[in-house]
Amino acid sequence: GQQLNQSPQSMFIQEGEDVSMNCTSSSIFNTWLWYKQDPGEGPVLLIALYKAGELTSNGRLTAQFGITRKDSFLNISASIPSDVGIYFCAGQRLQGAQKLVFGQGTRLTINP
Amino acid sequence: GAGVSQSPSNKVTEKGKDVELRCDPISGHTALYWYRQSLGQGLEFLIYFQGNSAPDKSGLPSDRFSAERTGGSVSTLTIQRTQQEDSAVYLCASSSAWGEQFFGPGTRLTVL
Repeated sequence: GQQLNQSPQSMFIQEGEDVSMNCTSSSIFNTWLWYKQDPGEGPVLLIALYKAGELTSNGRLTAQFGITRKDSFLNISASIPSDVGIYFCAGQRLQGAQKLVFGQGTRLTINP
Repeated sequence: GAGVSQSPSNKVTEKGKDVELRCDPISGHTALYWYRQSLGQGLEFLIYFQGNSAPDKSGLPSDRFSAERTGGSVSTLTIQRTQQEDSAVYLCASSSAWGEQFFGPGTRLTVL
């Protein structure tokens, strides 16, 4: 099935560093979402973006909805050990109850 | 509990057997989704139910896969004549008509 192109696939960083990951698509999405998944758990929503150009923050997390509606990025500032996990972008063509299209994930590992 | 629950948490079966996976959504959520996550991959949409509307089955990979949602609540995903490529984590999510999707912990299916 269709997936978004997410990069990087994995990141190995030192605690305290900033992190950046992004997603691109060949087609337009009207909602972009960023999720985090811990081992043995389902994904948990971090940030939702509903308007092209929108920049939204949630604590140390900042995400932007690209102006073309075909891309989004997620930044994490001053990483801490609990940030370890897999981050997924997801797109939704329409708002409301609609299926999500996911990226392949970015696995974040932090060296203390 | 208040979240989405899934059972069993793990299922090991032999090739050719049928399996049933269960999802209990959050009470009051009208939409229910099934996704599949293969090892190291993002989530792949399978099917979703919204209220009394006909389900969107566009993500089901073959006619061996089917799902039903009884009484607008509990859902069962059935895989007939399982194949080794069906091995994956099957995730269920639910949402209100306009809200975020909340995911369950998933069922890890292993087909030997």
